[in-house]
Amino acid sequence: ELKVEQNPLFLSMQEGKNYTIYCNYSTTSDRLYWYRQDPGKSLESLFVLLSNGAVKQEGRLMASLDTKARLSTLHITAAVHDLSATYFCAVDRYNNNDMRFGAGTRLTVKP
Amino acid sequence: NAGVTQTPKFQVLKTGQSMTLQCAQDMNHNSMYWYRQDPGMGLRLIYYSASEGTTDKGEVPNGYNVSRLNKREFSLRLESAAPSQTSVYFCASSGVPGQGDYGYTFGSGTRLTVV
Repeated sequence: ELKVEQNPLFLSMQEGKNYTIYCNYSTTSDRLYWYRQDPGKSLESLFVLLSNGAVKQEGRLMASLDTKARLSTLHITAAVHDLSATYFCAVDRYNNNDMRFGAGTRLTVKP
Repeated sequence: NAGVTQTPKFQVLKTGQSMTLQCAQDMNHNSMYWYRQDPGMGLRLIYYSASEGTTDKGEVPNGYNVSRLNKREFSLRLESAAPSQTSVYFCASSGVPGQGDYGYTFGSGTRLTVV
């Protein structure tokens, strides 16, 4: 059964600092997603990673994928308060609609 | 604006009551999904529809039924609501599986409380 584990589940960091969120998954998957959710809001797609070694960057966020290790990372550079949110990773397979989510990482960036 | 529209946004039900959550997308996506979100558990798939006319169970289908009315609309029905179904429900849609870098678009959610 496909399982997705994120860590840490809670992360409090100061503005200007760097940190990494980790996402491990249990079986071979074809796509790895990162989503952002603000409190009381829907999910916003951040990145879709398709292949081993894939790296995508948007602003202060950079996501990478190591399919051999079944590991994805979301790196935060020089955090700002606006990045405070819950971040989810999720995986699925081609021709399989069952996308499985991690429990989420609640990030709080303090001034 | 293109996207996924869910109704209602909030609902309170008594145990045993029934209701239908509505979802429509205008992006010409083939696949549609219903997820529930509970605190500390991420999102879990209830049912999905890979294309018009087909539906399949996801991870947590018990207590729910779905209807893919046409390509745009996918509804979720609770026949006899239970307190364990108190949750936030999200509808989502996506392009054709197997065609690479497509993402999922989520609706704004329905916050359901069963008392």
